[in-house]
Amino acid sequence: GAVVSQHPSRVICKSGTSVKIECRSLDFQATTMFWYRQFPKQSLMLMATSNEGSKATYEQGVEKDKFLINHASLTLSTLTVTSAHPEDSSFYICSATTGVGYGYTFGSGTRLTVV
Amino acid sequence: AQTVTQSQPEMSVQEAETVTLSCTYDTSESDYYLFWYKQPPSRQMILVIRQEAYKQQNATENRFSVNFQKAAKSFSLKISDSQLGDAAMYFCAYRRKYGGATNKLIFGTGTLLAVQP
Repeated sequence: GAVVSQHPSRVICKSGTSVKIECRSLDFQATTMFWYRQFPKQSLMLMATSNEGSKATYEQGVEKDKFLINHASLTLSTLTVTSAHPEDSSFYICSATTGVGYGYTFGSGTRLTVV
Repeated sequence: AQTVTQSQPEMSVQEAETVTLSCTYDTSESDYYLFWYKQPPSRQMILVIRQEAYKQQNATENRFSVNFQKAAKSFSLKISDSQLGDAAMYFCAYRRKYGGATNKLIFGTGTLLAVQP
């Protein structure tokens, strides 16, 4: 079946630094990838939708200059949290779709802690 | 805009018993997809079951089945013979059918299911 690999699974960074999270589709080409943020015991909040080769579409209220999303190839999308602050600490999840049918595959998530 | 509502923040079931998780949604579209996802403590999102709105027959996957009531916009999940491994957060989700790959999943707030031994 379709597999999405997300790295790193956990990252701790200092306040003011940037951190990059990668999301790779291993056995299919992902025309569209989605990035979510999840707080403990809460639902997934969609941050942005990225399409290969084009600019990401951000949800209302998400700072595009803070959360940089790049989808340079059909198998890789990255989320960079710039100038991270403790309030950016959260669980980030990506998902990918080929655009065919209705299947979505999720990465295993990244727990970001900003100290 | 479409919305998904899960009115049960937490549920509990005895091992081997049956439990039903509720989900309602609001949409003006006639054709769409509905999903139940499971998120165990590992936080990996796992697809449990999916339903296409144009299909009258309720979807079934082993111990998991749905009761899809299109007119009532209700999509409940029944877990039979509950197992300890079923303990997780369960999310109901909606997706438009038309509009291409950029269609996003709209999630409910989730139901935390505990399974008692």
